[in-house]
Order: sequence, then C-alpha cells, then structure tokens
Amino acid sequence: DTAVSQTPKYLVTQMGNDKSIKCEQNLGHDTMYWYKQDSKKFLKIMFSYNNKELIINETVPNRFSPKSPDKAHLNLHINSLELGDSAVYFCASSQEQGNTEAFFGQGTRLTVV
Amino acid sequence: QKEVEQDPGPLSVPEGAIVSLNCTYSNSAFQYFMWYRQYSRKGPELLMYTYSSGNKEDGRFTAQVDKSSKYISLFIRDSQPSDSATYLCAMRRTGFQKLVFGTGTRLLVSP
Repeated sequence: DTAVSQTPKYLVTQMGNDKSIKCEQNLGHDTMYWYKQDSKKFLKIMFSYNNKELIINETVPNRFSPKSPDKAHLNLHINSLELGDSAVYFCASSQEQGNTEAFFGQGTRLTVV
Repeated sequence: QKEVEQDPGPLSVPEGAIVSLNCTYSNSAFQYFMWYRQYSRKGPELLMYTYSSGNKEDGRFTAQVDKSSKYISLFIRDSQPSDSATYLCAMRRTGFQKLVFGTGTRLLVSP
C-alpha cells in the first residue's frame, strides 16, 4: 500500500491553463504539506495543513490554492499556469504538528509549455 | 545566503569507500536535523534524524551534529552502488513544522 500517493505523476500543460494535483495519505497523519522542487533539486515548502487548517503559506502566489477536504487529502490547484511553475511538486505528511518524520509522495512532474 | 548550504556534488566514490556528506547552516535556532535520500524520479525518504548536538548511528549510516559550528554530517560506511542517490539535509526549529532543506548532494558509488 502506498503511504502518500499523488496523481498525476506527470502533467504537461500549456501556459494559462488551470490544473490540479491530488494527494492522499493512508497513514492516519494529522499534518500534510506541499513542497516544490526546482530543476536544481532545491526542495522548498509551499503549504502545510494540520487537520484541514492552513498552518504555513510560504509566500506562494495566489494562483496556487491548496484545499483539504479532510485530513487524509490535500489537493493543490494552480490557476493561470506560467513557465516558471514547471517543477516537481511533492506532497508529504507527518504524524502530528511539529513531528520530525515527514513521509513524501513520489512527486508530480509538472511541465508548462 | 541560503539558510542551509550543501555542496551539490556530484561526489564520486568507489564501492566500499567511506562517504562524508555535510551541511552548514546559519540559523542557530535549528534543533532538529534530518537526512533524506532521494533516488532519481522518486520522493525523498527519511534516513536519519537527530535532536540537538551529538551522534546517531543506524547500520552503515552515522549522523553527526555540531551545533557550535552549525555543521552536520552524514557518514556512509562500506558504500554500495545502491547508495547512489541525492542526499538532502533538512532542519527545523522546535515548535515549527517548516523543514528547511539543503540543495542536496548527488552521490555516485561505482562498482
């Protein structure tokens, strides 16, 4: 069983489009995250949710909107996609707020053309 | 200047070598330190974590934290080709969820 699963794994889309990435965790964790990894492998947090409540929003453009329908799901919707949004987006989860061990999904490779 | 600095490599070693991977950081408030391994086209997986200063050993892996120097290390003994991956250090402050990552060091272990 996959602990943190993301869909789709690959996403190629044109500039200006709107797209969503879905994430689900079956670990019973309370906290979920979205991270962005750029072409140089630098991994940076975007959002954190704890029990469906937004905890961290790291100066991400308003075009990015996370949605957490329940604590097992954290989706990421991106409006008006730009070339610079091309990256790998990772969902992660952890046991409780502040817990050190974060489990990552396999990533969604987004390419904006 | 980034909060966490890490040499991107690549670091190439022969099988069986002892590997030393390092990160430096600027924020003295960091208390939790982690090493993640990331294979190509995969998500990061947690290898080691330590709290504050000291050493921690797990099999072939040893993590060291020197808070006075703001320097952390990961040692891999008897390196294997299967250890070839990117190694990311990460750290955070007590009470904060946000993990701050280094840029990762790419390790290549040749048979």
